[in-house]
Amino acid sequence: QVQLKESGPGLVAPSQSLSITCTVSGFSLSRYSVHWVRQPPGKGLEWLGMIWGGGSTDYNSALKSRLSISKDNSKSQVFLKMNSLQTDDTAMYYCARKLLRTYYYAMDYWGQGTSVTVSS
Amino acid sequence: DIVMTQSPSSLSVSAGEKVTMSCKSSQSLLNSGNQKNYLAWYQQKPGQPPKLLIYGASTRESGVPDRFTGSGSGTDFTLTISSVQAEDLAVYYCQNDHSYPLTFGAGTKLELK
Repeated sequence: QVQLKESGPGLVAPSQSLSITCTVSGFSLSRYSVHWVRQPPGKGLEWLGMIWGGGSTDYNSALKSRLSISKDNSKSQVFLKMNSLQTDDTAMYYCARKLLRTYYYAMDYWGQGTSVTVSS
Repeated sequence: DIVMTQSPSSLSVSAGEKVTMSCKSSQSLLNSGNQKNYLAWYQQKPGQPPKLLIYGASTRESGVPDRFTGSGSGTDFTLTISSVQAEDLAVYYCQNDHSYPLTFGAGTKLELK
């Protein structure tokens, strides 16, 4: 069955960088696109960006200068890297699969998320 | 950016009641070329990731109970639960699925009396 699982460092010091891996199973990254979404504690959802099946990427313009999304199809892994973290980057970080249907960006399967705390 | 505004922020209902919640977008989510609305609804239960309920404003995702119905067009959208069940306790989010950056509403929290 379709599964996504995020793994991250848990705690990151201010001004440092964050790397999270999303490992997927049950579908091919060469066919499906993957989003990254985050949710600060007790707050709403923020879209970070996505990587398409063909490898191109799109980012939230508000974060574009700090974000990088890449993947390794052979390992079924998608990577999120974010630079210059601050305390307001503390959040649950999710990867989610994009619906296969053309024109729709909506997310049909989500990982359980990995919690990231930015603190010294 | 398209701003998504949900109302009410919270809703207290009894099991079996009909529930309606609203989502308004600051720009139209209607694609004039294909006449499809690009609006999605998600349900998030405590400690869980969001779950896709509705996409294309009214298309129910596979496995979603038919008591959930999405409607609306342009900038005004509605999620209706025809007969609320205890397991529907959750926060419901709408999402701009039309243009970047994809944006979410602040959510409507459904509480049971």
